[in-house]
This record gives sequence, structure tokens and C-alpha cells, in this order.
Amino acid sequence: ETGVTQSPTHLIKTRGQQVTLRCSSQSGHNTVSWYQQALGQGPQFIFQYYREEENGRGNFPPRFSGLQFPNYSSELNVNALELDDSALYLCASSPAQGKNEKLFFGSGTQLSVL
Amino acid sequence: AQSVTQPDIHITVSEGASLELRCNYSYGATPYLFWYVQSPGQGLQLLLKYFSGDTLVQGIKGFEAEFKRSQSSFNLRKPSVHWSDAAEYFCAVTSGTYKYIFGTGTRLKVLA
Repeated sequence: ETGVTQSPTHLIKTRGQQVTLRCSSQSGHNTVSWYQQALGQGPQFIFQYYREEENGRGNFPPRFSGLQFPNYSSELNVNALELDDSALYLCASSPAQGKNEKLFFGSGTQLSVL
Repeated sequence: AQSVTQPDIHITVSEGASLELRCNYSYGATPYLFWYVQSPGQGLQLLLKYFSGDTLVQGIKGFEAEFKRSQSSFNLRKPSVHWSDAAEYFCAVTSGTYKYIFGTGTRLKVLA
């Protein structure tokens, strides 16, 4: 049912580098959210995009940025990587912005920062 | 501040035994509550959700959860656990707009 695809599945970077993670939302979904899941933790909300605009943001620094494209796919960019950025990054899409929508999650990108 | 607490980090049950995973939330308004399951290397799959109405909600894979406003709880239950239920379970709450708050998860181990 998911239909949300993320790439790459795994990534290794060194501290200070920049990384771009990609997400294709499920067909018909115009809202994309990004979450960071550190080892042993629950997912933490990074931000959400709705119709190509940032719609809300969690407690993450500005070096975490994103884009949403006209086809509703999305990118998460992280600049100046830090060791603590090592985590599973999850993308989730939903059919429309709103309280009743469930999130459809991708399998995530595992980022390791050395 | 909004928060979700899952008091049990790990739970081990025997196959065929009943299961209850606890979830407590802190939220000022009427919450929208969810349970998700995550298998290794996978994303999160929705088991069930509560928005309003009947406080006992049924989900997929034989799971159910009960919303108790007086206890700020939304515990997940299953009468008979299968080996394939071994996974990590997350409780989540949202006010409705865009941000979901997840608990830290409970890892379920099933003994044959």
C-alpha cells in the first residue's frame, strides 16, 4: 500500500559534507513530511511540504532544508553534516493537508556520518 | 508540551499469548492517536487510528486499541500474538495539522 519510495537506501558521508535525500510520494498525494529517526528513538518531525511550500517545521536547524517539486516529489538537504545527523530519514506522504490524514511512510534512507 | 510516553522499551511474549502495549500522551486538546508498526529495515505501517467516537478501535492484523481520556492512555492490544508480530511499535499523537509526535517505541519479541 505504501507507494512511497526513497533513495538512496543507505548513505555514508563525512562530517562537514552535504547530503541530498529524495522521496517520491504515493500517487495522488500532495503533502510530504520528513522525519528523522535516531537509533532507539521514535521519528522526530523535521518539516512538511504542501503544494511546494514549507507548511510547518520541527525543532531542526536551518541547515536542514527541503524542496517539493510540481510532481509532489521531495528532497531533504542537510548541510555541514554532524555526527549526530546519523539516523534513518523517513519520508511520509498523505493525500491532503489536514487532521484526518494518515501518513504513508517510505522505507527510509539510513545516513551514517563519519 | 505535547508528548507521548511508551513506558516499555522491550516486551517479550510467547506465541499465542495476549499482548498489551502501553501508550500515554500529554496533550491539551482532543488528540488524534495512532499506532504504527516498524519491521527491521522498513518504514512505518499504520495499525489503527482514533479520531473520535467509539473509544475501542479495531485495526489491521487483529490489533485493537482503547482510548481512555481519564487516563490519557491509548493502549494497543492483541488477544493472541503470532511470531510475525515481532517488530517495533510506535504510538503517535497529532493535533491535526501537520506534526505527528511519536513515542520512543516498544520492541516486541515473540517466543516460539
